[in-house]
Amino acid sequence: EAQVTQNPRYLITVTGKKLTVTCSQNMNHEYMSWYRQDPGLGLRQIYYSMNVEVTDKGDVPEGYKVSRKEKRNFPLILESPSPNQTSLYFCASSLAGQNNSPLHFGNGTRLTVT
Amino acid sequence: GQQVMQIPQYQHVQEGEDFTTYCNSSTTLSNIQWYKQRPGGHPVFLIQLVKSGEVKKQKRLTFQFGEAKKNSSLHITATQTTDVGTYFCAGRWSNYQLIWGAGTKLIIKP
Repeated sequence: EAQVTQNPRYLITVTGKKLTVTCSQNMNHEYMSWYRQDPGLGLRQIYYSMNVEVTDKGDVPEGYKVSRKEKRNFPLILESPSPNQTSLYFCASSLAGQNNSPLHFGNGTRLTVT
Repeated sequence: GQQVMQIPQYQHVQEGEDFTTYCNSSTTLSNIQWYKQRPGGHPVFLIQLVKSGEVKKQKRLTFQFGEAKKNSSLHITATQTTDVGTYFCAGRWSNYQLIWGAGTKLIIKP
């Protein structure tokens, strides 16, 4: 089944404890992206990747890192999480960034930083 | 920066009533996509509009793209409980990145 898989679904952590949210897609998509969703703010892009070894900042990249060492995986890293990073995170992928292909989203990761 | 304004933020309707959400951009869009997010779920792609003045229908859903490609709307006729969720538009400019509206939450009154 074609899908985007995120893990974990829920994560509660403390300030400053490094964490990684994994994202994997099995559709051979070139483009991958991370979003955070907060009430009233819609979806805000954190980082995106047009292809392997190519990553770029989105609208709200501060406090986050990503890597794209292989096509299928695009992990989101929080080196030192803070409470303002408490949010719902979505990974998404599409066939390519430059064309009109739709985004496929993972099921989301609800992160709470205390 | 580039923005897509989406209104209203919430819309309460009785089951069977119609629902409309609007998206507006200050600059011309290359295309616009619409997504639906069910409560507790993730956004799911509904449709993409590319041409000026384009109108597309999916059963009770009607999507429109303005003549100037600066605005778009989604209209649902005779809402059902299965329509509950948040509807997002996402506009694309020439730099290929999608800019998301804040979403309109459709709530069916009990």
